[in-house]
Amino acid sequence: GENVEQHPSTLSVQEGDSAVIKCTYSDSASNYFPWYKQELGKRPQLIIDIRSNVGEKKDQRIAVTLNKTAKHFSLHITETQPEDSAVYFCAAKEGSSASKIIFGSGTRLSIRP
Amino acid sequence: EAQVTQNPRYLITVTGKKLTVTCSQNMNHEYMSWYRQDPGLGLRQIYYSMNVEVTDKGDVPEGYKVSRKEKRNFPLILESPSPNQTSLYFCASSLSRAQGDTQYFGPGTRLTVL
Repeated sequence: GENVEQHPSTLSVQEGDSAVIKCTYSDSASNYFPWYKQELGKRPQLIIDIRSNVGEKKDQRIAVTLNKTAKHFSLHITETQPEDSAVYFCAAKEGSSASKIIFGSGTRLSIRP
Repeated sequence: EAQVTQNPRYLITVTGKKLTVTCSQNMNHEYMSWYRQDPGLGLRQIYYSMNVEVTDKGDVPEGYKVSRKEKRNFPLILESPSPNQTSLYFCASSLSRAQGDTQYFGPGTRLTVL
């Protein structure tokens, strides 16, 4: 089955700098990769996603890149702001079942003022 | 308002006492799922359902049961809870199992098993 590894587990950046979170997956048939943001005490919410036929996707200050050959994908946040502080989770949808979703272990991002 | 609801939000119980956590969505979604969240382990899928009367195991199904008798409801049943099931539980739903269908999460249920 699919296995998703996420790094780093914690990340602290200066406000205004960029943050990068990386994930690798094991199942080459996985075809959909969402990213979720979870603020303290709240539910996870989708912030961006990418499908396997696309290499990069942007939405304002957030971008995701996918390297299918290397089986890794990354979340990039530019011009970080205090409200970006949260736990971020990557996930991969298994290609074989197209129904199971495997999450990474999460990255706690802190933005220093 | 489109939403996923869970009840109860907090529950403290004792080992072996059967319990049910309810999940309901009002968006006519086909796909529903249960996750548990534990520190350092992220979100792990327990069970999912692709439609009424169609359920399947996720990554960590042991000790849990689910049912999907109606499209809107997807209860999680712990027949004989044990302390290692102490966790934060999330229900989620999406329109279908297709790629790109956004998963909407419920507010979470914090369960403590003594």
